[in-house]
Amino acid sequence: GAVVSQHPSRVICKSGTSVKIECRSLDFQATTMFWYRQFPKKSLMLMATSNEGSKATYEQGVEKDKFLINHASLTLSTLTVTSAHPEDSSFYICSARGLDTDTQYFGPGTRLTVL
Amino acid sequence: EDQVTQSPEALRLQEGESSSLNCSYTVSGLRGLFWYRQDPGKGPEFLFTLYSAGEEKEKERLKATLTKKESFLHITAPKPEDSATYLCAVQDNSGYALNFGKGTSLLVTP
Repeated sequence: GAVVSQHPSRVICKSGTSVKIECRSLDFQATTMFWYRQFPKKSLMLMATSNEGSKATYEQGVEKDKFLINHASLTLSTLTVTSAHPEDSSFYICSARGLDTDTQYFGPGTRLTVL
Repeated sequence: EDQVTQSPEALRLQEGESSSLNCSYTVSGLRGLFWYRQDPGKGPEFLFTLYSAGEEKEKERLKATLTKKESFLHITAPKPEDSATYLCAVQDNSGYALNFGKGTSLLVTP
């Protein structure tokens, strides 16, 4: 149980384009979903927290107009990187928390490369 | 502000050589302390949650313990497949966000 998927696993795009990443909880309803970013050999940095049907809460320093988060249902959240630039290249990982648990279960991650 | 410090940064063990990883933390009201395992290019895999000092949890060759200031992840008779980065994270009473340490990269050689 507690499986979280992400799609796509890898994406390469040109500078200036937008990229959408999907995060799905496959076997449970996710009250809260989280989006993290991880640089090589670094730990996870929380970007934003989203609750189903509510606006996402962004961490300090994260541009909400650049990283659009939608949590439209209890099993799906999306992260859209708008007007991507090479410095947005990173490993993006989502996690999901169920209704009656403190534990976050993570997706497999999405490797974004912006040329 | 919550702080999580993991040591050592890297650890190399021979197969069968037991050891411990440390996670020191400061938090204003601990909701939970979490251990995850992360393989290269993958998302973290949940291992344990600890809620109060004195609590211990075990899973195969891994055992996690918690005090008021730190947590240990003990690895008994490790195998090469235990090689990974082990991440510690704390959750405080303000919400469910996780604050991660930088991790310990473990390499177990045959």
